[in-house]
Amino acid sequence: DVKVTQSSRYLVKRTGEKVFLECVQDMDHENMFWYRQDPGLGLRLIYFSYDVKMKEKGDIPEGYSVSREKKERFSLILESASTNQTSMYLCASSLPRGQGGSNQPQHFGDGTRLSIL
Amino acid sequence: GQSLEQPSEVTAVEGAIVQINCTYQTSGFYGLSWYQQHDGGAPTFLSYNGLDGLEETGRFSSFLSRSDSYGYLLLQELQMKDSASYFCAVRDENNAGNMLTFGGGTRLMVKP
Repeated sequence: DVKVTQSSRYLVKRTGEKVFLECVQDMDHENMFWYRQDPGLGLRLIYFSYDVKMKEKGDIPEGYSVSREKKERFSLILESASTNQTSMYLCASSLPRGQGGSNQPQHFGDGTRLSIL
Repeated sequence: GQSLEQPSEVTAVEGAIVQINCTYQTSGFYGLSWYQQHDGGAPTFLSYNGLDGLEETGRFSSFLSRSDSYGYLLLQELQMKDSASYFCAVRDENNAGNMLTFGGGTRLMVKP
């Protein structure tokens, strides 16, 4: 079974702090994703990475950056945390589309509930 | 851009059948997926339709009509454990179809 592990389940930080959210997957997946989840808005993609050091902006990248130095690890960085970044953050990984079939499902971690005070 | 519409809440009784609809607008299209998420849990993959028609997996089925930009998830013989949020998601032409755009989710409540 694919395991996607997020470093913290709950996190409380202060406005202006630099915040790091870490995600590790153990299935050698090329694709990794960071989403934020807010009630009624579903999952919104922040950033996507398809290989080490490669990244693409998602729908809501403002205020965030990412780092992928190793294939198994994908970090989300809040450069200067603000209260409107209080949310649930979900990491996911998958094989590339087309590898072994036209669909490669995304496998999610349990999420980090981040509160910015 | 991409957008998906699905009902925000559905309520049904144990043993019944429920259908959760999803309509989408997207540039390019590589398929419609469904994910389930229990409260406090991670979203998990349920079903995928790349072509028109019905896909069946046990008590769950998913349908797609590409000409209507429409799909649905059908849950039969509902059980209490099916109470969860269900998300439809489209795989579109962005980044060779590797990215998903999710709907807002449908919260299903199953009552005894």
